[in-house]
Amino acid sequence: NAGVMQNPRHLVRRRGQEARLRCSPMKGHSHVYWYRQLPEEGLKFMVYLQKENIIDESGMPKERFSAEFPKEGPSILRIQQVVRGDSAAYFCASSPRRGVIYEQYFGPGTRLTVT
Amino acid sequence: ELKVEQNPLFLSMQEGKNYTIYCNYSTTSDRLYWYRQDPGKSLESLFVLLSNGAVKQEGRLMASLDTKARLSTLHITAAVHDLSATYFCAVEKGGSEKLVFGKGTKLTVNP
Repeated sequence: NAGVMQNPRHLVRRRGQEARLRCSPMKGHSHVYWYRQLPEEGLKFMVYLQKENIIDESGMPKERFSAEFPKEGPSILRIQQVVRGDSAAYFCASSPRRGVIYEQYFGPGTRLTVT
Repeated sequence: ELKVEQNPLFLSMQEGKNYTIYCNYSTTSDRLYWYRQDPGKSLESLFVLLSNGAVKQEGRLMASLDTKARLSTLHITAAVHDLSATYFCAVEKGGSEKLVFGKGTKLTVNP
């Protein structure tokens, strides 16, 4: 059973470009969470999605950031017009169900560097 | 707003010694998690603590939860070099399933 998959693992973008980060949850998991980790910091929640629905985006910056989890395919975190402050590790986690005691399983992360 | 504080943030210890990492959180929560992260890697789940008085052990690590005190501890027994990593506690904000993380404790075990 493959774990949570993220790609790319490393992404370099120039200021002003767009970054697209992809996350494929574990098989059977329908809930996806995105977190951001700045250097020497803990992870900060960004957004929680189910298939075709955004459940909680309270941690997502209001501008330039968006997330989706379509019926088919991976979840996508999109950052438009990246700035240096967006440089961070972005982790995706998945869990099988909401409201049940299931932990979140984390992917390997995408390390975004904005030059 | 739920806040999670870990201490110490940095811990350097000798092999064979014991030590405890503390995790305090500010509001009632159902679940507390401990994760390990190696440099440049993802998070590895160590423990899930669900109820007051819960105690779990795996090898040289033991975690406990006191929901009344809003405190969890991660105790390291007879540390070995392989335990060097950053350890995070995370608390699930009630009903939301989103995790609020502490800043992490960077543990270095010296020979």
